[in-house]
Amino acid sequence: DAEITQSPRHKITETGRQVTLACHQTWNHNNMFWYRQDLGHGLRLIHYSYGVHDTNKGEVSDGYSVSRSNTEDLPLTLESAASSQTSVYFCASSESSRGAFFGQGTRLTVV
Amino acid sequence: RKEVEQDPGPFNVPEGATVAFNCTYSNSASQSFFWYRQDCRKEPKLLMSVYSSGNEDGRFTAQLNRASQYISLLIRDSKLSDSATYLCVAYSGNTGKLIFGQGTTLQVKP
Repeated sequence: DAEITQSPRHKITETGRQVTLACHQTWNHNNMFWYRQDLGHGLRLIHYSYGVHDTNKGEVSDGYSVSRSNTEDLPLTLESAASSQTSVYFCASSESSRGAFFGQGTRLTVV
Repeated sequence: RKEVEQDPGPFNVPEGATVAFNCTYSNSASQSFFWYRQDCRKEPKLLMSVYSSGNEDGRFTAQLNRASQYISLLIRDSKLSDSATYLCVAYSGNTGKLIFGQGTTLQVKP
């Protein structure tokens, strides 16, 4: 069965370190998204991609970057982790106007 | 103003009650709409798509009013297992983005 997986599921890192969160989907979807979820803010879009070599900024993209070298993967990099980036991160993929499927999330703590 | 807005609740209802959630969206170019369910900070899961003609899936009914830019979800005969956060989502074909509302929390009590 097709799926979307995130790794790691939990991570603790120190302020200033570079961190990369992995997202891998086997749906063969062109569209992939990264969201963060914090209490009081719901899901906020960080970056998204329409296909290979395409990346776009979402509403909270500062301090984050993504790259899309193939259809299956959209890794999210925190260039220099900050405590404000402590959050739960969700990756999702979708095809056109159909609903998206989400990974199980990564809980990131920056200390 | 947020692009998709929901009343965060919480909605506390007894088992068997009928409850309705509303959602408004500001981008008139939004083409598709969905309701997602999220349990205890787990990943959101697609509950149902929302069609202009209205659609039903068991105890759940979704409606879309494009003129008023308004979406609704009706849950009949609430079950304890319906307790969750319900997220309203708008998809824009122009941008390819899925924009989520903040979510409405439902607590069904015995």
